Amino acid sequence: SAVISQKPSRDICQRGTSLTIQCQVDSQVTMMFWYRQQPGQSLTLIATANQGSEATYESGFVIDKFPISRPNLTFSTLTVSNMSPEDSSIYLCSVGKSGSNYGYTFGSGTRLTVV
Amino acid sequence: GQQVMQIPQYQHVQEGEDFTTYCNSSTTLSNIQWYKQRPGGHPVFLIQLVKSGEVKKQKRLTFQFGEAKKNSSLHITATQTTDVGTYFCAGSAGGGADGLTFGKGTHLIIQP
Repeated sequence: SAVISQKPSRDICQRGTSLTIQCQVDSQVTMMFWYRQQPGQSLTLIATANQGSEATYESGFVIDKFPISRPNLTFSTLTVSNMSPEDSSIYLCSVGKSGSNYGYTFGSGTRLTVV
Repeated sequence: GQQVMQIPQYQHVQEGEDFTTYCNSSTTLSNIQWYKQRPGGHPVFLIQLVKSGEVKKQKRLTFQFGEAKKNSSLHITATQTTDVGTYFCAGSAGGGADGLTFGKGTHLIIQP
């Protein structure tokens, strides 16, 4: 399965600022996704990162707040913009290959605290 | 939109007892996947079920997919302390290129 490097692993940010999270995969993958998880809670899909085109956002998430880039098949970034304390959460990237029976691989996550 | 319900939220068992978590979707699923997340860790893929009525086993773990492809279960026989963690089911309504809708997870706590 793919190996993911997600950076940063954690950060403490001031409200009103932005943070960009990077997801680097060691092999080309068809699918890349971004999730959010409150500690001890379930995962919520933010968006699908599409290579070479705009990301597809789930209900409740918008591009202005969570801009996503995916310039190639091994790399994506998620930016959390104009942060507020409500954005404090764990953000995870996830990758997979279409037609695979091996599910999706998750990065180790970015623990974000907004103060 | 699609909703995936999972029960129970917490399960305390004595080591050696069996454990089961149940998952139910509001819509028919293309496939269902199960993940395990250890405390402080990230979700790790366990298995994917695709066919109606499918049953798969991994050592002490048995996974089932319902005939209507709307429900699933994970059963662990004779739990061990290494089984501690949160077990999530996650459904996909699409053909495999979709992101997943996760259940709320079942936190398995094992008392030695």
